[in-house]
Amino acid sequence: DQQVKQNSPSLSVQEGRISILNCDYTNSMFDYFLWYKKYPAEGPTFLISISSIKDKNEDGRFTVFLNKSAKHLSLHIVPSQPGDSAVYFCAAASTSGTYKYIFGTGTRLKVLA
Amino acid sequence: DVKVTQSSRYLVKRTGEKVFLECVQDMDHENMFWYRQDPGLGLRLIYFSYDVKMKEKGDIPEGYSVSREKKERFSLILESASTNQTSMYLCATIGRIYNEQFFGPGTRLTVL
Repeated sequence: DQQVKQNSPSLSVQEGRISILNCDYTNSMFDYFLWYKKYPAEGPTFLISISSIKDKNEDGRFTVFLNKSAKHLSLHIVPSQPGDSAVYFCAAASTSGTYKYIFGTGTRLKVLA
Repeated sequence: DVKVTQSSRYLVKRTGEKVFLECVQDMDHENMFWYRQDPGLGLRLIYFSYDVKMKEKGDIPEGYSVSREKKERFSLILESASTNQTSMYLCATIGRIYNEQFFGPGTRLTVL
């Protein structure tokens, strides 16, 4: 059973526009959420996180929104740049347990110049 | 600067061989993880370790074992490699600022 879902396997966006990547989760015990970016032949790199006590966290061009009632989070990238083209994974964890993060299946973002 | 290093970037093995994938971290963190990444399946947890000599099965432990003799080193062992274990293998530990998982560069394993 997939506890963290990214239903869009791919997304194409024009350079300079907004990219919105979505993630849904089913486990109400999750209270910490993260986004990672992965280039081919490299390990994922951490982008941004959000705790369930917040509904928004911003870091430069990246903003994560959390809707707890809908069990949904999204990553907004504004403005999108060609270097943002990568696979993006969302992950979720319960901070009351071990550091066991559950990852989504990923969304491949392509930013067109 | 956090470093997680993996012994090989690319590895080709034959069916039935015993394979060792090594991971070393300099974060001095108790937790270490092994994942595999496959297209359309995301990152799936194979095993994790929360202290030296301690280990716990992840979601897909079958066909794998692990060893954690020292805090900084976590090894993944494929006892008898099979073609369905062809994958990207990723090791991780925990970062100190955001409690994020900090990944190594990955090992692309091909089993022929």
